[in-house]
Amino acid sequence: KAGVTQTPRYLIKTRGQQVTLSCSPISGHRSVSWYQQTPGQGLQFLFEYFSETQRNKGNFPGRFSGRQFSNSRSEMNVSTLELGDSALYLCASSPENTDTQYFGPGTRLTVL
Amino acid sequence: TQLLEQSPQFLSIQEGENLTVYCNSSSVFSSLQWYRQEPGEGPVLLVTVVTGGEVKKLKRLTFQFGDARKDSSLHITAAQPGDTGLYLCAKRKGAQKLVFGQGTRLTINP
Repeated sequence: KAGVTQTPRYLIKTRGQQVTLSCSPISGHRSVSWYQQTPGQGLQFLFEYFSETQRNKGNFPGRFSGRQFSNSRSEMNVSTLELGDSALYLCASSPENTDTQYFGPGTRLTVL
Repeated sequence: TQLLEQSPQFLSIQEGENLTVYCNSSSVFSSLQWYRQEPGEGPVLLVTVVTGGEVKKLKRLTFQFGDARKDSSLHITAAQPGDTGLYLCAKRKGAQKLVFGQGTRLTINP
């Protein structure tokens, strides 16, 4: 099976802009989670989608949002970008009834 | 306050040496996962430990879950340059899917 894919791999934006990141899970996985990784805060959970519904949410402001499509592909959106949003954004999919996360390679977002 | 404390934060050793890294929590966890992340990649699951006192081996890696299920360790025997990476422990926390420790950044020098 193909692994989790994320696009784009690298992105540069300026403050105030918005960005959309895309994730395609492993075939058959209906759960997709998003994480933010920074040197200071480490890996932090953003949200999880299952069958097109947000199932869990981490402690991030409303500027961070996401959605999932009927084919389980997911997108996350960050509006009004801030310098502190510069990070590696990781998407992970998992089979049902397991906590095991299969991660994609991430999207490196730089906000100038 | 980190829910999972990993130590050391950084470790640099020579090829062939042994090492142990730790993951500790003030609360009991039902299960714990260890991941390794290499530069430019996402984390990859190494093992899940569930039972207190459990020991699991993955080639030269030995994972142990503390009897009280509040701590875990990862021991690497005869480290190789390919073991270089960020080692992360993670546990489920309520609705937040997985909570990760800050990680141990391991460098094995040839």
